[in-house]
Amino acid sequence: DIVMTQSPPSLSVTPGEPASISCRASQSLLNHNGYHYLEWFLQRPGQSPQLLIYLGSHRASGVPDRFSGSGSGTDFTLKISRVEPEDVGIYYCLQALQTPLTFGGGTRVEMK
Amino acid sequence: QVHLQESGPGLVRPSQTLSLTCTVSGTSIISADYYWSWFRQTPGKGLEWIAFIYHSGSASYSPSLKSRLSISVDTSKNQFSLTLASVTAADTGVYYCVRGSGYPWGQGTLVTVSS
Repeated sequence: DIVMTQSPPSLSVTPGEPASISCRASQSLLNHNGYHYLEWFLQRPGQSPQLLIYLGSHRASGVPDRFSGSGSGTDFTLKISRVEPEDVGIYYCLQALQTPLTFGGGTRVEMK
Repeated sequence: QVHLQESGPGLVRPSQTLSLTCTVSGTSIISADYYWSWFRQTPGKGLEWIAFIYHSGSASYSPSLKSRLSISVDTSKNQFSLTLASVTAADTGVYYCVRGSGYPWGQGTLVTVSS
C-alpha cells in the first residue's frame, strides 16, 4: 500500500495570511501518462469532503484561485495564498494511482 | 449537475449485513469512463476507501475489507450498491458514495452498528 504522510497535523492561521500543507507519498505518484494521481480535499465541519485539487495541480471547478497544488514524484504541497474564514476545516490528500486508494492523516486548519 | 445520494438503514445489528445504495442523477452511470466508489469515515480509521466499480461490473476492493465486501451496479436504475457482511462496532461511521476518486461526493449516510 502507498502510505501518505501529511504535515503539519494542525495549523492555526491569521485571516489574510498564507498557509501551506505538505503531503508525502511512500512511492512516486507519477503515472505512465505523465500525470500525478494526487488529490486534495477540504472537509468543513459537518460536510462531505470537497475536491480542491486533482492530478496534483489542477484546480477543481468552482474552487477559488487562492488554492494551488504543486509537487512531483512523492512530495506535494497545497498552498492557500490568503486564508479566509471559510477555509476552516480538515484538509486531506489522497493518492489515486493504485489500489487501495489511501489518504493522508489530515491537517486541521483553524483561525487565530 | 451530477448528484449522488446514499440510502440504507442507519442501524445494523452486530454480525448482520450492511447494505447501502447510491443513486446517481444528472449523468448516466455508463456515460463516461468513470469508476464509482464507496468511502467511509470512522472514528477508528478516519477516511478510508472501501471499493469501486465500473459500469461493466469490474470492481476493486480494499484488501482489509475484501472478505466481507461486495459491490454491484444496476445501470437500469443508475445505481450502485455495497454490502458489508459480519459487521462490528468498528464498521460504525459515515459512508459516502463518490464518482471516481473525488467529485462529487454524496452527503454521506451514518451507519451505526449496535445491538
